Amino acid sequence: GNSVTQMEGPVTLSEEAFLTINCTYTATGYPSLFWYVQYPGEGLQLLLKATKADDKGSNKGFEATYRKETTSFHLEKGSVQVSDSAVYFCARGDSGGGADGLTFGKGTHLIIQP
Amino acid sequence: DAGVIQSPRHEVTEMGQEVTLRCKPISGHNSLFWYRQTMMRGLELLIYFNNNVPIDDSGMPEDRFSAKMPNASFSTLKIQPSEPRDSAVYFCASSLAGGDSPLHFGNGTRLTVT
Repeated sequence: GNSVTQMEGPVTLSEEAFLTINCTYTATGYPSLFWYVQYPGEGLQLLLKATKADDKGSNKGFEATYRKETTSFHLEKGSVQVSDSAVYFCARGDSGGGADGLTFGKGTHLIIQP
Repeated sequence: DAGVIQSPRHEVTEMGQEVTLRCKPISGHNSLFWYRQTMMRGLELLIYFNNNVPIDDSGMPEDRFSAKMPNASFSTLKIQPSEPRDSAVYFCASSLAGGDSPLHFGNGTRLTVT
């Protein structure tokens, strides 16, 4: 079946460091890809998405590029802040891109130290 | 937009008791999802509805779990009888079915079964 694999956490960085959180997905069909973020005590919220190969999703300084050749959708940010501390989830959708078939990774806990 | 509303935020109950979790989706959304989140298993999809009809309940762990959606603005997840291993955070999410509509999550119900 469909699956998403994320790097294990926690990831601990200093403020203003460069961030990469790796994500790979199974290559079945032509899925849409998503990053969700979960702040403490809250539900997940959409951070960014990409719907086809070579698309780049971006939001709040975060970016991720849909790489079909490597089946990857790595999350990056050039300079992280303490407020970015959260759990980040990579997810893939079905070919239609609808929410019905979202498969989430296990999440990566990011800790940013001042 | 009030977002997805879940109640209660916290529930503590004794083993064997019935537990009912409630969800009000975003008005106009026609898909509703129930997820369970634990440290060990991450985020698991339990069941989802389209237009109030259960579409996929393969994630429901066992017969002790049941979910209903009597109308477009209300859903319940019931556990009867509850067990300590049911302790988790339960999330409800809603979306517009199909396309690239993202999932909107509630803030979750933290269930503790002693």
